[in-house]
Amino acid sequence: GQQLNQSPQSMFIQEGEDVSMNCTSSSIFNTWLWYKQDPGEGPVLLIALYKAGELTSNGRLTAQFGITRKDSFLNISASIPSDVGIYFCAGQLTGANSKLTFGKGITLSVRP
Amino acid sequence: DTGVSQDPRHKITKRGQNVTFRCDPISEHNRLYWYRQTLGQGPEFLTYFQNEAQLEKSRLLSDRFSAERPKGSFSTLEIQRTEQGDSAMYLCASSLQGAGDTQYFGPGTRLTVL
Repeated sequence: GQQLNQSPQSMFIQEGEDVSMNCTSSSIFNTWLWYKQDPGEGPVLLIALYKAGELTSNGRLTAQFGITRKDSFLNISASIPSDVGIYFCAGQLTGANSKLTFGKGITLSVRP
Repeated sequence: DTGVSQDPRHKITKRGQNVTFRCDPISEHNRLYWYRQTLGQGPEFLTYFQNEAQLEKSRLLSDRFSAERPKGSFSTLEIQRTEQGDSAMYLCASSLQGAGDTQYFGPGTRLTVL
């Protein structure tokens, strides 16, 4: 099935650094979401974006819905050890079936 | 805690056995989704319910899989005659139609088929 493009597969940063993750699609979505998943747990919603061009913040996290509706980025500022985990982007076409289409995720490691 | 809950969290079974998982959504949510996630991949859509009606099934959902949501509240996912390829994390999510349809996930059920 279709998956969104997230790369690289892994990122390694130093505590305190900022990090940016990108997600692209060949298809248009009308909602973009970012989730974080810890090992053995379900994805936890970080940010939801509902409008092209929208820029939304949640604490140290900032995400933007691309103007073409085919991409989104997530920025984490001043990283801390608990930011470690797998970050997934998901695209959604709300309507009759609002199923999510996910990327493969980016594993973030933060060195203290 | 009023989040999505799933039971059991872990299930180990032998090939050929049947297994059933349960999902309790957030109480006011009318939509419920099942996803499957294998190692190194993002979750993949299996099926979804609006209230008690199952409205769409992915081609990933073979005829050994069946899902129900009899009263429009909790849902069950049953896998008959399990195969080793069924080993995965099974995730449930719920949303409220019209309120952005934003999906919130449960903790998942990890299935291991020996």
